[in-house]
Amino acid sequence: GAGVSQSPSNKVTEKGKDVELRCDPISGHTALYWYRQSLGQGLEFLIYFQGNSAPDKSGLPSDRFSAERTGGSVSTLTIQRTQQEDSAVYLCASSFSRDTEAFFGQGTRLTVV
Amino acid sequence: DAKTTQPPSMDCAEGRAANLPCNHSTISGNEYVYWYRQIHSQGPQYIIHGLKNNETNEMASLIITEDRKSSTLILPHATLRDTAVYYCIVRATAGANNLFFGTGTRLTVIP
Repeated sequence: GAGVSQSPSNKVTEKGKDVELRCDPISGHTALYWYRQSLGQGLEFLIYFQGNSAPDKSGLPSDRFSAERTGGSVSTLTIQRTQQEDSAVYLCASSFSRDTEAFFGQGTRLTVV
Repeated sequence: DAKTTQPPSMDCAEGRAANLPCNHSTISGNEYVYWYRQIHSQGPQYIIHGLKNNETNEMASLIITEDRKSSTLILPHATLRDTAVYYCIVRATAGANNLFFGTGTRLTVIP
């Protein structure tokens, strides 16, 4: 597809379970971002990738959160031992380079019950 | 320390120009200003970005003051589908990688 694709679109999980969220960026985009958005709130930065490396992990809220990117393409955000406060929409974006416009996916809505 | 300051809400009559202001007084000399919008339940949509010169594309125009401390996004003929939250965005700090999304302006286009 032409845009950023995220899966699943919705995920309901029990407290304490691990979840993996996937992002397929636009082909050829070297920069990739993860954000999250809680209900009625603004976007909170989580992590930035340039290629396969993550020079900026400053936004990850705890060590339960991790992310990787392989082949300069697909990225996975993993949340271990989920908590109710992790419930949010997780958004992925990619851009050709750091200073060009970023394109967002439609997000994964995570609900921890 | 706010990276950007925007009015929380604005109304605009359908068919009229919508002018959305943003202050970004701490922007560094080589950082861009980006504008995005978010329509309810969707991912943010890129609108336009600029460095020093005014910019125009098929969606909007961006006017940046000479001192680069503020900018205005102009939607020339607002439609009901332009109702959204509009974010003016700069890097969180000089040289930072993340785009800082503030609280944005909720624009309501009125029929």
